[in-house]
Amino acid sequence: RKEVEQDPGPFNVPEGATVAFNCTYSNSASQSFFWYRQDCRKEPKLLMSVYSSGNEDGRFTAQLNRASQYISLLIRDSKLSDSATYLCATGASGGSYIPTFGRGTSLIVHP
Amino acid sequence: NAGVTQTPKFQVLKTGQSMTLQCAQDMNHNSMYWYRQDPGMGLRLIYYSASEGTTDKGEVPNGYNVSRLNKREFSLRLESAAPSQTSVYFCASILLQGDEQFFGPGTRLTVL
Repeated sequence: RKEVEQDPGPFNVPEGATVAFNCTYSNSASQSFFWYRQDCRKEPKLLMSVYSSGNEDGRFTAQLNRASQYISLLIRDSKLSDSATYLCATGASGGSYIPTFGRGTSLIVHP
Repeated sequence: NAGVTQTPKFQVLKTGQSMTLQCAQDMNHNSMYWYRQDPGMGLRLIYYSASEGTTDKGEVPNGYNVSRLNKREFSLRLESAAPSQTSVYFCASILLQGDEQFFGPGTRLTVL
């Protein structure tokens, strides 16, 4: 079983829709959590960090549920430009720091 | 700042050939990482370097070697390329534990 799991999708949604992705992690020692965006044939780039209290950045909201060991990403009012693959990542502190990535969730926003 | 740079961007090798992928960062980051990304497999860690002078194996180290030449540079070497090493290779770096990773633009490698 992979340490970080995501539904690969694709999620196919119309412009303006609200879409949510979940990501589960198995390492209870995980302390840091991130969502990255990866465009086709490009490198991953940080979309947002995920904090215990949850955080929002414009149309994007990220939440962490430590008890159930998952993080979520909510995208409101989807734009065509949101079409990409969204990778979640976790990291456990102590010793060497090795971020662990999910396989990514593909989002396609259509007109 | 250029961030994380990788060379080359594209490479085609024949089975058995060797090559070195170069990675450099100008952000004074401590830790550096090499990943490969294959369709449906996500990012898999090959090797990492927690700090200058140290390197450790990741999830898929077989067939690869690395060198942390100095704080800025972390190279990945394929001694005898195999078709199974056809992939996109990303280098990444982190300043401190818990920080976000910064990725290079990737090297697209094809082994025939």
